[in-house]
Amino acid sequence: SAVISQKPSRDICQRGTSLTIQCQVDSQVTMMFWYRQQPGQSLTLIATANQGSEATYESGFVIDKFPISRPNLTFSTLTVSNMSPEDSSIYLCSVGTNSYNEQFFGPGTRLTVL
Amino acid sequence: GENVEQHPSTLSVQEGDSAVIKCTYSDSASNYFPWYKQELGKGPQLIIDIRSNVGEKKDQRIAVTLNKTAKHFSLHITETQPEDSAVYFCAASINGGYQKVTFGTGTKLQVIP
Repeated sequence: SAVISQKPSRDICQRGTSLTIQCQVDSQVTMMFWYRQQPGQSLTLIATANQGSEATYESGFVIDKFPISRPNLTFSTLTVSNMSPEDSSIYLCSVGTNSYNEQFFGPGTRLTVL
Repeated sequence: GENVEQHPSTLSVQEGDSAVIKCTYSDSASNYFPWYKQELGKGPQLIIDIRSNVGEKKDQRIAVTLNKTAKHFSLHITETQPEDSAVYFCAASINGGYQKVTFGTGTKLQVIP
């Protein structure tokens, strides 16, 4: 499976600011995804990061709040914009390497918004 | 869309005993069912998966069973060890191309030494 790293691993941010989270994979992958995991909850898909085009967002998530970039097949960023305490969550990057929907997750970024 | 329910939400077992986690899904088109283990402070790790063309799959102390007629699948862990303590998530999706993976609500397993 691919080795996935995320930066930062955790951060504490002030309300109204923005944070950009990076996801780096050690090999080229077809699919990259961003998930949110609120405290004690399951995983919710935010969007699919598409290489060379705009991300595909799930219902309830919009580009203005969660802009995503994917400049190549090994790297993606997620920005959490104009943060509020409700954005305090773990943000996870995952990758899909084949057509069988197997997904492998990064270690996550633990965000606290004060 | 797909809906995945998972039970129980918490499970405590004595070391050496077996643990069973059950999930049901709603979309009969789903045919790929992975299980993830999430340890504290880490991302989910894929531990086993099953596709709809088989009814059971085993990997050492872990096994998954699938009943497509009833639309439910289960994770079985035998001879549990303290390092099995974690949150386990089931999921369901449709194989072929990329289809959205829907996760269950999670089961917090505690193995008591």
